[in-house]
Amino acid sequence: EPEVTQTPSHQVTQMGQEVILRCVPISNHLYFYWYRQILGQKVEFLVSFYNNEISEKSEIFDDQFSVERPDGSNFTLKIRSTKLEDSAMYFCASRTGRGEKLFFGSGTQLSVL
Amino acid sequence: AQTVTQSQPEMSVQEAETVTLSCTYDTSENNYYLFWYKQPPSRQMILVIRQEAYKQQNATENRFSVNFQKAAKSFSLKISDSQLGDTAMYFCAFMNVWGAQKLVFGQGTRLTINP
Repeated sequence: EPEVTQTPSHQVTQMGQEVILRCVPISNHLYFYWYRQILGQKVEFLVSFYNNEISEKSEIFDDQFSVERPDGSNFTLKIRSTKLEDSAMYFCASRTGRGEKLFFGSGTQLSVL
Repeated sequence: AQTVTQSQPEMSVQEAETVTLSCTYDTSENNYYLFWYKQPPSRQMILVIRQEAYKQQNATENRFSVNFQKAAKSFSLKISDSQLGDTAMYFCAFMNVWGAQKLVFGQGTRLTINP
């Protein structure tokens, strides 16, 4: 089965630093998402992206967050100035079309010290 | 806004037993999708089963089946002949058919299968 690839699997950063989390969605997919999961809590929606623009974002996705699909294959999440509370597992996901199966990546564990 | 509630934080059963995980949701929509995802210790999100609200027939996938009660807004997952590999967190999730089709997750149920 095709896979969504996320790198790195674990990233450690200092508070106030910028981080970029990288994802390579499945090649023919058109809809892209970022979710996060703080340890021991539920998975929360951050942002959805379609046709080179954000289609919806949550309250969590404030001005410190941005997404980009720079080259037609990568899909990145940038956190401009990390806070301790940004420590979480970040999942990228993608699907071919509306209502189709959503494929999740294996996640990037972000630790902010 | 839609909400999803899983009222069982933890469950534990013996191998080969049948176990049912509960999920309720709140929506004013008539058509939508419901899902159960499994998250093993690796934290990978694995789709277990999916139900479309306009379909009255309950979805099944091998040992996994759902009891979808639309009027009651209830969507429980039944695991038959449970196996040690079923040990994981299980998340119920809701998705609208319109808009960005984001998933709204419940808090999860930690299921342990004992040998």
